[in-house]
Amino acid sequence: GQQVMQIPQYQHVQEGEDFTTYCNSSTTLSNIQWYKQRPGGHPVFLIQLVKSGEVKKQKRLTFQFGEAKKNSSLHITATQTTDVGTYFCAGSNQAGTALIFGKGTTLSVSS
Amino acid sequence: EAGVVQSPRYKIIEKKQPVAFWCNPISGHNTLYWYLQNLGQGPELLIRYENEEAVDDSQLPKDRFSAERLKGVDSTLKIQPAELGDSAVYLCASSPGTSGGTYNEQFFGPGTRLTVL
Repeated sequence: GQQVMQIPQYQHVQEGEDFTTYCNSSTTLSNIQWYKQRPGGHPVFLIQLVKSGEVKKQKRLTFQFGEAKKNSSLHITATQTTDVGTYFCAGSNQAGTALIFGKGTTLSVSS
Repeated sequence: EAGVVQSPRYKIIEKKQPVAFWCNPISGHNTLYWYLQNLGQGPELLIRYENEEAVDDSQLPKDRFSAERLKGVDSTLKIQPAELGDSAVYLCASSPGTSGGTYNEQFFGPGTRLTVL
């Protein structure tokens, strides 16, 4: 079945450093969503990518969807302590019948 | 606008006991999801409703889990009997629905943390 894998599982950075998490699917996706979950909280929607090669930016966050629509990345520039949390990607299959979450990348930031 | 409401927030029960979780989605959201989230893992779909119809329950362990969404609004997820391995956070989410096969963003509730002793 469809699998969505994320790397790395954990990442620790110093405040001000950049951070990137990668998401890879075993099958071609219809679209991909990204969520952030703060410690003790629930997932909160960040963005959805639909088009091949799409790039979207939200302030210091840059999201990319691969040309083959099988991978995606989230890049944070100049991390801040408020960026701490677990970032999940969730891929939708082309039939639109399933949305599979990756296991997430947990980011910690020290000041 | 109120978000997705779930209750209880925490539940501790002994194994073999029944337990029920309640979810009230955002008003007007046709699609409702129940997820299970284990520590260090992503949410895993248990069941998805479009209005009152369960359109995807393939991952729901039907021997002990059941769910309902009467009138296409509130939903209840039940476990009977609970097992030690059911300890997890149960998340409810809602969305305006799918459009042309594309999932819309999901709004998650705070979850119910279940501990089975």
